[in-house]
This record gives sequence, C-alpha cells and structure tokens, in this order.
Amino acid sequence: NAGVTQTPKFRVLKTGQSMTLLCAQDMNHEYMYWYRQDPGMGLRLIHYSVGEGTTAKGEVPDGYNVSRLKKQNFLLGLESAAPSQTSVYFCASSYKRRLQDYGYTFGSGTRLTVV
Amino acid sequence: AQSVTQLGSHVSVSEGALVLLRCNYSSSVPPYLFWYVQYPNQGLQLLLKYTSAATLVKGINDFEAEFKKSETSFHLTKPSAHMSDAAEYFCAVSPLLSGYQKVTFGTGTKLQVIP
Repeated sequence: NAGVTQTPKFRVLKTGQSMTLLCAQDMNHEYMYWYRQDPGMGLRLIHYSVGEGTTAKGEVPDGYNVSRLKKQNFLLGLESAAPSQTSVYFCASSYKRRLQDYGYTFGSGTRLTVV
Repeated sequence: AQSVTQLGSHVSVSEGALVLLRCNYSSSVPPYLFWYVQYPNQGLQLLLKYTSAATLVKGINDFEAEFKKSETSFHLTKPSAHMSDAAEYFCAVSPLLSGYQKVTFGTGTKLQVIP
C-alpha cells in the first residue's frame, strides 16, 4: 500500500499565483487533514474533513481552501499565494473510530516557497 | 481545551547514552497521548501511543514512554541512543471522546546523537 501520497513534493510560486496540493490515501480512512509545519511552531491544522463532501476550518485556515469530492482525495488550494505561506505542508489521514489504535498516517510533505 | 508542552527544542546525547525527551500536557478530559518521529525530509511516523490500557507504553526501536497523571507528563525515553535516532520528535494529545477528535501537537524536539 502507498499510504498517503502528496503531490507535488516541491514547488516555488510567485506572490499572487495559485496552486493546488493533492493528497491521496488508499487506506479507506474517513478523516483527512492538512497541516503546515514551520520552524519552532510545530504542526498547525489548516483544514480537515470528516467525510466525503465535508470540510471544516482548523487553526490557520485563512488564505487556503479545500475540497474533498472523493473519499480518498483531499485537495488544498492557495488562491493568491503570499510569502507568509512559505512552509512545509503535510497531509494526514485517520480512521474515524480507531485513532487510539493507529493514530494519524502522514504523507511525506510538500515544500512550498513563495517568492 | 488541550495543549502540549515539549521542554527543549534541541537535545543532544552521546551515542549509547540515555535519551529523555520531555512532554507535559493539559487536557480537560482523559487524553490519548502520542509520540511521533520525523526523520529529515519525511513525514511524521507514529512511535508509540497511550490509550489508558497501561501507563508504561513501549514503541518501536526500543523507545518507551510513561504516562504520569499526577505530573501530567508523558516523557519519552530510550536506554541507549543510536545514530539512527537523530530526528525530530513530536508529542501529541487528543481527548478521549467519541466523534471527531482534535489532535494537538507540540512544537517538537530535535534529537542530535553525537558519536
């Protein structure tokens, strides 16, 4: 099994450009998440989804949009990139009822630089 | 509300020495507690978890952690550090509730192993 796959792995954007990060999981997990990781700040939750067609805001949602049209995919969009969005982005997924057994499964990350 | 505090953003140990990474949590309800490890340029991997079954929890690669309710702590230890243990370690907490369970991550501790 591939687990959680993120594409692309690296991207450089100019200020004001848009892009979409794709997350795909093949574990039939109900829940999916987008985090950003910045030095000294740990992981901060951007948006999450508890099922197909549903999304919710996390701690730092401003400047991002998400969609979950299919259970296995969770897309993160930046409509107008800003330098403050330079970060490493991680997607994660988990079972609805088995968090205590399996925790989260993370992708390998997308390193985004906005210049 | 819940939070996690990891004491020490950087910890250095000699190869073969004891590893001790500190984590204190606050939670208004009984928690699930996790330790994740992140190797360079990779996503986070579940190292071990506490789910109330036993206060001393063993994980992969000889790591273990002890839940101490009176101290609200969940410190991570390993008797003898290996060079391959060099990574960043994250403590995380989630409430013991049904439905969507928000996981809060600490800011991480980078472990350096000196030969």
